[in-house]
Amino acid sequence: RKEVEQDPGPFNVPEGATVAFNCTYSNSASQSFFWYRQDCRKEPKLLMSVYSSGNEDGRFTAQLNRASQYISLLIRDSKLSDSATYLCVVDRGYIPTFGRGTSLIVHP
Amino acid sequence: EAGVTQFPSHSVIEKGQTVTLRCDPISGHDNLYWYRRVMGKEIKFLLHFVKESKQDESGMPNNRFLAERTGGTYSTLKVQPAELEDSGVYFCASSFREDTQYFGPGTRLTVL
Repeated sequence: RKEVEQDPGPFNVPEGATVAFNCTYSNSASQSFFWYRQDCRKEPKLLMSVYSSGNEDGRFTAQLNRASQYISLLIRDSKLSDSATYLCVVDRGYIPTFGRGTSLIVHP
Repeated sequence: EAGVTQFPSHSVIEKGQTVTLRCDPISGHDNLYWYRRVMGKEIKFLLHFVKESKQDESGMPNNRFLAERTGGTYSTLKVQPAELEDSGVYFCASSFREDTQYFGPGTRLTVL
Protein backbone atom coordinates (compact mmCIF):
# COMPACT_ATOMS: atom_id res chain seq x y z
CA ARG A 1 0.00 0.00 0.00
CA LYS A 2 1.31 3.43 -0.91
CA GLU A 3 2.07 5.80 1.95
CA VAL A 4 -0.07 8.52 0.47
CA GLU A 5 -2.90 7.74 -1.93
CA GLN A 6 -4.93 10.07 -4.07
CA ASP A 7 -7.45 9.58 -6.83
CA PRO A 8 -5.57 10.81 -9.92
CA GLY A 9 -8.77 12.04 -11.58
CA PRO A 10 -9.13 14.01 -13.70
CA PHE A 11 -11.99 15.80 -12.03
CA ASN A 12 -13.74 17.71 -14.76
CA VAL A 13 -16.06 20.40 -13.35
CA PRO A 14 -17.80 23.52 -14.63
CA GLU A 15 -16.93 26.96 -13.37
CA GLY A 16 -18.68 27.73 -10.13
CA ALA A 17 -18.87 24.12 -9.02
CA THR A 18 -17.75 22.81 -5.68
CA VAL A 19 -15.25 19.97 -5.81
CA ALA A 20 -13.63 17.89 -3.10
CA PHE A 21 -10.52 15.73 -3.09
CA ASN A 22 -9.55 13.17 -0.51
CA CYS A 23 -6.19 11.75 0.31
CA THR A 24 -5.43 8.80 2.59
CA TYR A 25 -2.18 8.12 4.36
CA SER A 26 -0.92 4.91 5.89
CA ASN A 27 1.44 6.03 8.64
CA SER A 28 -0.40 6.94 11.81
CA ALA A 29 2.74 8.67 13.11
CA SER A 30 2.41 11.35 10.44
CA GLN A 31 2.57 14.80 11.95
CA SER A 32 2.05 17.46 9.33
CA PHE A 33 -0.20 17.63 6.33
CA PHE A 34 -0.29 19.91 3.36
CA TRP A 35 -1.91 20.51 0.02
CA TYR A 36 0.34 21.67 -2.80
CA ARG A 37 -0.75 22.87 -6.18
CA GLN A 38 1.25 22.06 -9.28
CA ASP A 39 0.59 23.65 -12.63
CA CYS A 40 1.59 21.83 -15.76
CA ARG A 41 5.38 21.64 -16.03
CA LYS A 42 5.85 23.89 -13.03
CA GLU A 43 7.08 23.30 -9.49
CA PRO A 44 4.77 22.39 -6.61
CA LYS A 45 3.62 25.39 -4.60
CA LEU A 46 2.21 25.27 -1.13
CA LEU A 47 -1.53 25.84 -1.20
CA MET A 48 -2.28 25.36 2.45
CA SER A 49 -1.32 23.45 5.54
CA VAL A 50 -3.94 21.21 7.08
CA TYR A 51 -4.68 21.49 10.76
CA SER A 52 -6.56 19.12 13.02
CA SER A 53 -9.28 21.67 13.58
CA GLY A 54 -9.69 22.23 9.86
CA ASN A 55 -8.82 25.46 8.16
CA GLU A 56 -10.16 27.70 5.48
CA ASP A 57 -8.49 30.10 3.10
CA GLY A 58 -10.96 31.89 0.90
CA ARG A 59 -12.62 29.34 -1.36
CA PHE A 60 -10.43 26.53 -0.07
CA THR A 61 -11.15 24.41 2.98
CA ALA A 62 -8.90 21.65 4.28
CA GLN A 63 -9.85 19.00 6.81
CA LEU A 64 -7.89 16.35 8.64
CA ASN A 65 -9.36 13.15 10.04
CA ARG A 66 -6.68 11.43 12.08
CA ALA A 67 -8.89 8.54 13.13
CA SER A 68 -9.56 7.57 9.52
CA GLN A 69 -6.18 8.83 8.30
CA TYR A 70 -7.36 11.05 5.52
CA ILE A 71 -7.24 14.67 4.58
CA SER A 72 -9.53 16.53 2.27
CA LEU A 73 -9.54 19.66 0.18
CA LEU A 74 -12.76 21.43 -0.76
CA ILE A 75 -12.80 24.08 -3.44
CA ARG A 76 -15.90 26.21 -3.68
CA ASP A 77 -16.95 28.36 -6.64
CA SER A 78 -14.30 26.83 -8.92
CA LYS A 79 -12.46 29.16 -11.28
CA LEU A 80 -10.81 28.32 -14.57
CA SER A 81 -7.51 29.23 -12.91
CA ASP A 82 -7.99 26.45 -10.36
CA SER A 83 -7.17 23.92 -13.07
CA ALA A 84 -4.03 22.19 -11.86
CA THR A 85 -2.80 19.07 -10.10
CA TYR A 86 -3.32 19.05 -6.35
CA LEU A 87 -0.70 17.14 -4.39
CA CYS A 88 -1.38 15.74 -0.96
CA VAL A 89 1.73 15.83 1.21
CA VAL A 90 2.21 14.04 4.52
CA ASP A 91 5.15 14.69 6.75
CA ARG A 92 6.52 12.47 9.52
CA GLY A 93 9.27 14.83 10.42
CA TYR A 94 10.93 16.99 7.85
CA ILE A 95 10.74 14.62 4.91
CA PRO A 96 7.44 14.97 3.15
CA THR A 97 5.85 12.14 1.25
CA PHE A 98 3.92 13.21 -1.80
CA GLY A 99 0.85 11.65 -3.30
CA ARG A 100 0.74 11.31 -7.05
CA GLY A 101 -1.67 14.19 -7.31
CA THR A 102 -5.26 14.75 -8.36
CA SER A 103 -5.88 16.51 -11.63
CA LEU A 104 -8.60 19.17 -11.70
CA ILE A 105 -9.94 20.64 -14.91
CA VAL A 106 -12.37 23.52 -14.60
CA HIS A 107 -14.21 24.28 -17.83
CA PRO A 108 -16.37 27.24 -18.84
CA GLU B 1 13.16 38.15 -2.72
CA ALA B 2 14.49 35.63 -5.23
CA GLY B 3 13.07 32.13 -5.00
CA VAL B 4 14.81 28.82 -5.42
CA THR B 5 16.52 28.63 -8.78
CA GLN B 6 17.69 25.59 -10.69
CA PHE B 7 19.94 25.17 -13.65
CA PRO B 8 19.60 23.97 -16.33
CA SER B 9 15.87 23.96 -16.91
CA HIS B 10 16.24 21.11 -19.40
CA SER B 11 18.99 18.64 -20.13
CA VAL B 12 19.08 15.97 -22.79
CA ILE B 13 21.98 13.55 -22.61
CA GLU B 14 22.86 10.12 -23.82
CA LYS B 15 23.05 7.06 -21.66
CA GLY B 16 26.45 6.82 -20.04
CA GLN B 17 27.10 10.55 -20.00
CA THR B 18 27.41 12.70 -16.92
CA VAL B 19 25.07 15.51 -15.96
CA THR B 20 25.32 18.00 -13.12
CA LEU B 21 22.27 19.83 -11.87
CA ARG B 22 22.53 22.94 -9.77
CA CYS B 23 20.22 24.42 -7.17
CA ASP B 24 20.47 27.82 -5.53
CA PRO B 25 18.26 27.98 -2.46
CA ILE B 26 16.61 31.05 -1.05
CA SER B 27 19.23 33.15 0.71
CA GLY B 28 19.42 32.29 4.39
CA HIS B 29 17.79 28.89 4.06
CA ASP B 30 19.99 26.31 5.75
CA ASN B 31 17.85 23.38 4.64
CA LEU B 32 18.06 22.18 1.07
CA TYR B 33 16.28 19.17 -0.38
CA TRP B 34 16.42 17.29 -3.64
CA TYR B 35 13.43 15.43 -5.07
CA ARG B 36 12.75 13.57 -8.25
CA ARG B 37 9.59 12.90 -10.19
CA VAL B 38 9.74 10.11 -12.70
CA MET B 39 6.97 10.33 -15.31
CA GLY B 40 3.70 8.98 -14.02
CA LYS B 41 4.95 8.56 -10.48
CA GLU B 42 4.87 10.65 -7.34
CA ILE B 43 7.55 13.10 -6.29
CA LYS B 44 10.14 11.24 -4.23
CA PHE B 45 12.61 12.55 -1.70
CA LEU B 46 16.29 12.09 -2.54
CA LEU B 47 18.22 13.85 0.18
CA HIS B 48 18.38 16.68 2.67
CA PHE B 49 21.21 19.07 3.51
CA VAL B 50 21.49 21.19 6.58
CA LYS B 51 24.04 23.77 5.59
CA GLU B 52 26.84 21.72 4.03
CA SER B 53 26.07 18.49 5.85
CA LYS B 54 23.98 15.65 4.50
CA GLN B 55 21.27 15.15 7.05
CA ASP B 56 19.52 12.35 5.25
CA GLU B 57 20.36 10.72 1.95
CA SER B 58 18.13 7.71 2.30
CA GLY B 59 16.29 8.50 -0.91
CA MET B 60 19.30 8.48 -3.19
CA PRO B 61 18.66 5.65 -5.66
CA ASN B 62 22.24 4.39 -6.04
CA ASN B 63 25.86 5.41 -6.08
CA ARG B 64 25.61 6.94 -9.54
CA PHE B 65 24.09 9.95 -7.80
CA LEU B 66 26.31 12.37 -5.90
CA ALA B 67 25.06 15.49 -4.18
CA GLU B 68 27.22 18.20 -2.74
CA ARG B 69 26.70 21.49 -1.01
CA THR B 70 30.11 22.98 -0.46
CA GLY B 71 30.01 26.07 1.71
CA GLY B 72 26.39 25.51 2.55
CA THR B 73 25.08 27.67 -0.26
CA TYR B 74 24.20 26.18 -3.63
CA SER B 75 24.03 22.46 -4.20
CA THR B 76 24.86 20.22 -7.13
CA LEU B 77 23.48 16.82 -8.00
CA LYS B 78 25.64 14.80 -10.34
CA VAL B 79 24.50 11.71 -12.16
CA GLN B 80 27.35 9.61 -13.49
CA PRO B 81 26.89 7.60 -15.63
CA ALA B 82 23.30 8.42 -16.51
CA GLU B 83 20.87 5.61 -17.27
CA LEU B 84 17.54 5.71 -19.09
CA GLU B 85 15.57 5.33 -15.87
CA ASP B 86 17.12 8.52 -14.50
CA SER B 87 14.90 10.58 -16.80
CA GLY B 88 12.48 12.77 -14.91
CA VAL B 89 12.13 16.13 -13.28
CA TYR B 90 14.52 16.93 -10.47
CA PHE B 91 13.21 19.45 -7.98
CA CYS B 92 15.14 21.29 -5.36
CA ALA B 93 13.49 22.90 -2.36
CA SER B 94 14.74 24.97 0.53
CA SER B 95 13.44 25.97 3.93
CA PHE B 96 14.57 28.22 6.73
CA ARG B 97 13.93 25.69 9.45
CA GLU B 98 12.43 22.28 8.89
CA ASP B 99 9.13 23.82 7.93
CA THR B 100 7.59 25.11 4.76
CA GLN B 101 9.64 24.11 1.76
CA TYR B 102 9.82 26.33 -1.29
CA PHE B 103 10.40 24.54 -4.53
CA GLY B 104 12.50 25.50 -7.50
CA PRO B 105 11.17 25.20 -11.06
CA GLY B 106 12.86 21.85 -11.57
CA THR B 107 15.30 20.46 -14.11
CA ARG B 108 13.79 18.19 -16.72
CA LEU B 109 16.33 15.48 -17.48
CA THR B 110 15.99 13.25 -20.50
CA VAL B 111 18.39 10.37 -20.95
CA LEU B 112 18.37 8.86 -24.44
